[in-house]
Amino acid sequence: GENVEQHPSTLSVQEGDSAVIKCTYSDSASNYFPWYKQELGKRPQLIIDIRSNVGEKKDQRIAVTLNKTAKHFSLHITETQPEDSAVYFCAAAGGSYIPTFGRGTSLIVHP
Amino acid sequence: GAVVSQHPSWVICKSGTSVKIECRSLDFQATTMFWYRQFPKQSLMLMATSNEGSKATYEQGVEKDKFLINHASLTLSTLTVTSAHPEDSSFYICSASKIAGEMNEQFFGPGTRLTVL
Repeated sequence: GENVEQHPSTLSVQEGDSAVIKCTYSDSASNYFPWYKQELGKRPQLIIDIRSNVGEKKDQRIAVTLNKTAKHFSLHITETQPEDSAVYFCAAAGGSYIPTFGRGTSLIVHP
Repeated sequence: GAVVSQHPSWVICKSGTSVKIECRSLDFQATTMFWYRQFPKQSLMLMATSNEGSKATYEQGVEKDKFLINHASLTLSTLTVTSAHPEDSSFYICSASKIAGEMNEQFFGPGTRLTVL
């Protein structure tokens, strides 16, 4: 089955800095890579996703890059704000249509 | 939009009792729903995939006789934790996908916090 590794587990940045979270996957058949933001005690919310036919996607301060050859994808948040503080999960899904989640990254943005 | 609701949002029960959690897709039909369990500061662990009108597919290590899943309609799936014990205390989250047979955005329910005394 699919195996998704996510790093780092904790990321602390100053407000205004950029944050980068990296994930790798094992199944070359995976073709859909969503990123979720989860605030404490709340449901995960999709913030951006990318499919395997695209190498990069951007939405305002958030961007995701995908390297199919190396089987890794990354989330980039620019100009971080305190409200960006949350746990971020990457996921990979393919032929089984069932996503496998990474272990999560706790992002802390200090004012 | 696509809204998924869960009920109850939290429940406290005594050890040995059973608890039923409902997951509903409010404005779309979901042929497939997923049930996850999340322990504090950990990732979402898929427990089972719930398919309307058929038996659920459980992940390895998940006891199907303990976690009963019923997907009676295209908008409702239920998870029953039977004979709950303190180690079953967790955050249970369901999700649903709008399009069958294709991986698309999953819409998560708000979760149910289960505490077993």
